[in-house]
Amino acid sequence: GENVEQHPSTLSVQEGDSAVIKCTYSDSASNYFPWYKQELGKGPQLIIDIRSNVGEKKDQRIAVTLNKTAKHFSLHITETQPEDSAVYFCAASDNNNDMRFGAGTRLTVKP
Amino acid sequence: NAGVTQTPKFQVLKTGQSMTLQCAQDMNHEYMSWYRQDPGMGLRLIHYSVGAGITDQGEVPNGYNVSRSTTEDFPLRLLSAAPSQTSVYFCASSNWHEGNSPLHFGNGTRLTVT
Repeated sequence: GENVEQHPSTLSVQEGDSAVIKCTYSDSASNYFPWYKQELGKGPQLIIDIRSNVGEKKDQRIAVTLNKTAKHFSLHITETQPEDSAVYFCAASDNNNDMRFGAGTRLTVKP
Repeated sequence: NAGVTQTPKFQVLKTGQSMTLQCAQDMNHEYMSWYRQDPGMGLRLIHYSVGAGITDQGEVPNGYNVSRSTTEDFPLRLLSAAPSQTSVYFCASSNWHEGNSPLHFGNGTRLTVT
């Protein structure tokens, strides 16, 4: 089955700096790559997603890039703010919606 | 819309006890699933369902049962709880018939087995 690896496990940045989280996947059949943000005591919430026919997608301060050949995808957050502090998960799935998650990255944005 | 609702929020069980974690969604989603979240391991799929009357096993199904008698509800049953089942459990749903779709998560049930 699919295996998703996520790095780093923790990330601390200064407010206003950029943050980058990287994931790799193993199954070439995976074609959908969402990113979720989880705040304390809550369930994960989708922040951005990308499909395999697209190399990059941007939504305001958040962007995701996908390299299908290398089987890796990344989340980029620019101009970070304290409210961006949370745990972020990447995921990968194929057409069966069998979604596998990375282990998560705890992002801390210091004011 | 309430989205995905999970009850209870917290539960403490003794080893060997049984219980049912409830999950309901009001978005008419065909796909529903259960994940467990453990430190450093992300979210692991326990069971999932692509419609009423259909269930299948995920990555870590042992010790758990599910059923799907209606589109709205997808309960998770622990027949004989073990300390290894101490975890945070999340229910999720999506519009599966639209192909790969984002999962909508509930706020979780924190389960402790002593």
